[in-house]
Amino acid sequence: AQSVTQLDSQVPVFEEAPVELRCNYSSSVSVYLFWYVQYPNQGLQLLLKYLSGSTLVKGINGFEAEFNKSQTSFHLRKPSVHISDTAEYFCAVRPSGGYQKVTFGTGTKLQVIP
Amino acid sequence: DVKVTQSSRYLVKRTGEKVFLECVQDMDHENMFWYRQDPGLGLRLIYFSYDVKMKEKGDIPEGYSVSREKKERFSLILESASTNQTSMYLCASSSRTSGGTHTDTQYFGPGTRLTVL
Repeated sequence: AQSVTQLDSQVPVFEEAPVELRCNYSSSVSVYLFWYVQYPNQGLQLLLKYLSGSTLVKGINGFEAEFNKSQTSFHLRKPSVHISDTAEYFCAVRPSGGYQKVTFGTGTKLQVIP
Repeated sequence: DVKVTQSSRYLVKRTGEKVFLECVQDMDHENMFWYRQDPGLGLRLIYFSYDVKMKEKGDIPEGYSVSREKKERFSLILESASTNQTSMYLCASSSRTSGGTHTDTQYFGPGTRLTVL
């Protein structure tokens, strides 16, 4: 079984400042990793994913994440946030082999302050 | 674009009622999922289906059942609604790659906010 920990439930940040949302996972097998975003009153949509290859993954809206296997982390970063980035962000993980269910973290609410 | 639709955005039911939540996807996806989302708990998987008439229990199946008679439609059923089932319910779908490896990106509907009184 796998698990995901998002340590920060809320992250306030000023507009145009950089931000990092932290995600750590636990799994006994190799994994695929995801970040999803949920804007107010909407469903989730994929920001980016790591399947294999380069550990630095670039996603939509200027976000990127780095897979660190030794630290079992997949932190999400953006160098300069905008008001429109205010949303809840979910990290997710699933084993890479066969069919396995995806496990989501508890979410981090990013609040961008003008 | 993939589209996942859910039958209602808001639903209010009484304790003991039978409740049906419908989800339809238009991208011929093999896999479909039902989650509930609660503050501070994130998304928790209730049931998923990887093919027509197939279903698998997720992490919190108690009090729920599902039906998948057609590929595009996945229904969540609350046999006898209770107040602790008040929540946001999210449906998602994903495709299976040609190599048989189940895919990676889930596409979500807008959610149904269910209140049980």
